[in-house]
Amino acid sequence: AQSVTQPDIHITVSEGASLELRCNYSYGATPYLFWYVQSPGQGLQLLLKYFSGDTLVQGIKGFEAEFKRSQSSFNLRKPSVHWSDAAEYFCAVGARSGYSTLTFGKGTMLLVSP
Amino acid sequence: EAGVAQSPRYKIIEKRQSVAFWCNPISGHATLYWYQQILGQGPKLLIQFQNNGVVDDSQLPKDRFSAERLKGVDSTLKIQPAKLEDSAVYLCASSPGTATGELFFGEGSRLTVL
Repeated sequence: AQSVTQPDIHITVSEGASLELRCNYSYGATPYLFWYVQSPGQGLQLLLKYFSGDTLVQGIKGFEAEFKRSQSSFNLRKPSVHWSDAAEYFCAVGARSGYSTLTFGKGTMLLVSP
Repeated sequence: EAGVAQSPRYKIIEKRQSVAFWCNPISGHATLYWYQQILGQGPKLLIQFQNNGVVDDSQLPKDRFSAERLKGVDSTLKIQPAKLEDSAVYLCASSPGTATGELFFGEGSRLTVL
């Protein structure tokens, strides 16, 4: 069965500083990988996704993530955080065969300090 | 393009009462999902429909939860009778049904069981 681990429950970053959110997955082969963001009271919005090809993927709002097969990781990064980035971030893994279903991690809450 | 619509946004009920949530997916999306998101956790899949057939309901508590997708479009999720531990946000998502894995989420229905 596939699973996702996000080891950090909360992270606080100063505005303008760089950000890295960690994600490790467990899956028998190369999965589809996603990062979603959830603002309070809102649904989940897709930030970026990895299907194949270049292991460094660019997303919306200046985010990027790198797929590292050897480490089973898909960490999310942003070079300079803005106060509006404060939200909860979820990493998700999906199977490449059969019907697409996503398994989510427990999320990392990002707090941005002035 | 209209997104995934859900209603009601908020619902408060007493335990042992019943509740129903409605979802209208993005037009043309063949696959529809219901996820449960308990506070502090990531979304957990309850049920997945492909058109109007059930693909995966292995994590649906069938003694109290039921869901249907009439004519392969709208869907309703029902809980009867509700328990305190059912307090959560119920997220509906849809996808085109192709093997890309990307899900599009509604804003969710927040249930509080007293």
